[in-house]
Amino acid sequence: ETGVTQSPTHLIKTRGQQVTLRCSSQSGHNTVSWYQQALGQGPQFIFQYYREEENGRGNFPPRFSGLQFPNYSSELNVNALELDDSALYLCASSSGTHQETQYFGPGTRLLVL
Amino acid sequence: GEDVEQSLFLSVREGDSSVINCTYTDSSSTYLYWYKQEPGAGLQLLTYIFSNMDMKQDQRLTVLLNKKDKHLSLRIADTQTGDSAIYFCAEIADNYGQNFVFGPGTRLSVLP
Repeated sequence: ETGVTQSPTHLIKTRGQQVTLRCSSQSGHNTVSWYQQALGQGPQFIFQYYREEENGRGNFPPRFSGLQFPNYSSELNVNALELDDSALYLCASSSGTHQETQYFGPGTRLLVL
Repeated sequence: GEDVEQSLFLSVREGDSSVINCTYTDSSSTYLYWYKQEPGAGLQLLTYIFSNMDMKQDQRLTVLLNKKDKHLSLRIADTQTGDSAIYFCAEIADNYGQNFVFGPGTRLSVLP
């Protein structure tokens, strides 16, 4: 158990809708990273937030956006959902002073119909 | 760009050793990782190795790093049925922003 929690655990949306996924980081961690894991693949880095600011971004379009709050919890927002957005969305937290280790939450499984 | 490759499947008998292999392309990687994912679950950090090391042992797990060949392996001694899972190799390709690049995962099946 890593102490990283995500909500909801499962979600079904239709194409064109918007979705917000939430992540609470492990106590003492000020960095949150988001990943998309399509079925049968490894996780792909979406972006990272450090002290409420975006701190790096992978190859994802602008309709993927995020926020980090003063308590270091985070949201991932996806607009104009597409069928290919169906995946497991993982968040991982780490400490700014120990950036080599990231601890993952259980993920939110999103299905877009 | 950065790329991490792994064989997709491995099957071993309970009690045998398992060796999961990984190759990566970014020679500037500072850390390399092994994560485990059980069905329906998130990723569990198993172990990691700093790039200036060539071996790390942690109980039943041994990580070997050949930096010249950009090859990383994870050996699990005395493999148990509870070790059945998908194992992901990952590198930090960009230390600024911690851009982890994961391999496709190796599905380990442990047969009784």
